Amino acid sequence: ELKVEQNPLFLSMQEGKNYTIYCNYSTTSDRLYWYRQDPGKSLESLFVLLSNGAVKQEGRLMASLDTKARLSTLHITAAVHDLSATYFCAVDLNSGTYKYIFGTGTRLKVLA
Amino acid sequence: NAGVTQTPKFRILKIGQSMTLQCTQDMNHNYMYWYRQDPGMGLKLIYYSVGAGITDKGEVPNGYNVSRSTTEDFPLRLELAAPSQTSVYFCASRDAAGNTIYFGEGSWLTVV
Repeated sequence: ELKVEQNPLFLSMQEGKNYTIYCNYSTTSDRLYWYRQDPGKSLESLFVLLSNGAVKQEGRLMASLDTKARLSTLHITAAVHDLSATYFCAVDLNSGTYKYIFGTGTRLKVLA
Repeated sequence: NAGVTQTPKFRILKIGQSMTLQCTQDMNHNYMYWYRQDPGMGLKLIYYSVGAGITDKGEVPNGYNVSRSTTEDFPLRLELAAPSQTSVYFCASRDAAGNTIYFGEGSWLTVV
């Protein structure tokens, strides 16, 4: 059974600080997604990582994928209040079934 | 741009009632998904479909049924609603390349 775990589950950080969210998964996959969800809203696509070593950056967020370690990271640089949200990773089961399993989510609060 | 459209947005059901959540997409995507999100939790895959006439179970299919008679529509039926089905339901679709999963706005369901 595929398990996708994120840590931390909750993160409170000061504006201007850096931090990393981790996404570990339990089976082989070469495709991983990161999403952002604001309270009461739907999910917004941030990144899709398609191969080992993939790195993508958008503004203060940078995501990377290590398929050998079954690990993806979402790095936040110089956090600002607007980044406060819940962040999810999702893994393609890589079995030809096109099933996507979501992580537990990381609730980020950036304090002014 | 319509994208993925879900109806209704909000619904209150009594225990034992049945209802159908509607989902339609106008992007000609073959792959469609239903997820549920309990308060403060991640998304759990209920059912998914890889094309018209083809559906399969996800992580938490019990108490639900789906059909896929057309490419555009993927309704989710709840039979004999139970309080445990109180949740937010998200429909999603993806393109053939799998580079983006598009989510609907969500349907908030309360079973009392």
